[in-house]
Amino acid sequence: QKEVEQNSGPLSVPEGAIASLNCTYSDQGSQSFFWYRQYSGKSPELIMFIYSNGDKEDGRFTAQLNKASQYVSLLIRDSQPSDSATYLCAVNPGGFKTIFGAGTRLFVKA
Amino acid sequence: EAGVTQFPSHSVIEKGQTVTLRCDPISGHDNLYWYRRVMGKEIKFLLHFVKESKQDESGMPNNRFLAERTGGTYSTLKVQPAELEDSGVYFCASSLAGPYEQYFGPGTRLTVT
Repeated sequence: QKEVEQNSGPLSVPEGAIASLNCTYSDQGSQSFFWYRQYSGKSPELIMFIYSNGDKEDGRFTAQLNKASQYVSLLIRDSQPSDSATYLCAVNPGGFKTIFGAGTRLFVKA
Repeated sequence: EAGVTQFPSHSVIEKGQTVTLRCDPISGHDNLYWYRRVMGKEIKFLLHFVKESKQDESGMPNNRFLAERTGGTYSTLKVQPAELEDSGVYFCASSLAGPYEQYFGPGTRLTVT
């Protein structure tokens, strides 16, 4: 079992729709959870992080965390073609180590 | 504010040769991280520095890899001797405090032939 699992996609949504990206993790002791966006050929860029159960909103992005289910999700409202990228879920199991999932490719169709 | 920079952007070497990658973190960031992404795989943590001290090098693949951080500023990652499986993109990241807001550099694409 991978430490951080994501559906590789691609996930295709029409412009203006809500994109829902999901992630599960195996280490129950994990403390912080991150979503990164990575455009093709570029470096990962932090979108947001969450460490408490529930929702955290930042603009069009909402991260959701359920530690009991070991599940993290990212919702992107009003999706735009510029949101087309690979979204990486990452988990901090403690200390400074970060474990990444393989990423979900998102396509937003104009 | 300048971001994290890495040099070179691309390196092609032959198996058995030595390569040194460099990372300059954002000024003032005490935490520096090295990651690697092998083709088709997820980004893997290699190690973490706080200033000049290695805090966690649990992700280093083997003793062919040596990382240093001189004076707590820039860092180098040396691969000696390089093997075919070392090919991939090597990312460096830095953060001010904690692992939360890491800023990634553009990466160095290493190709070992």
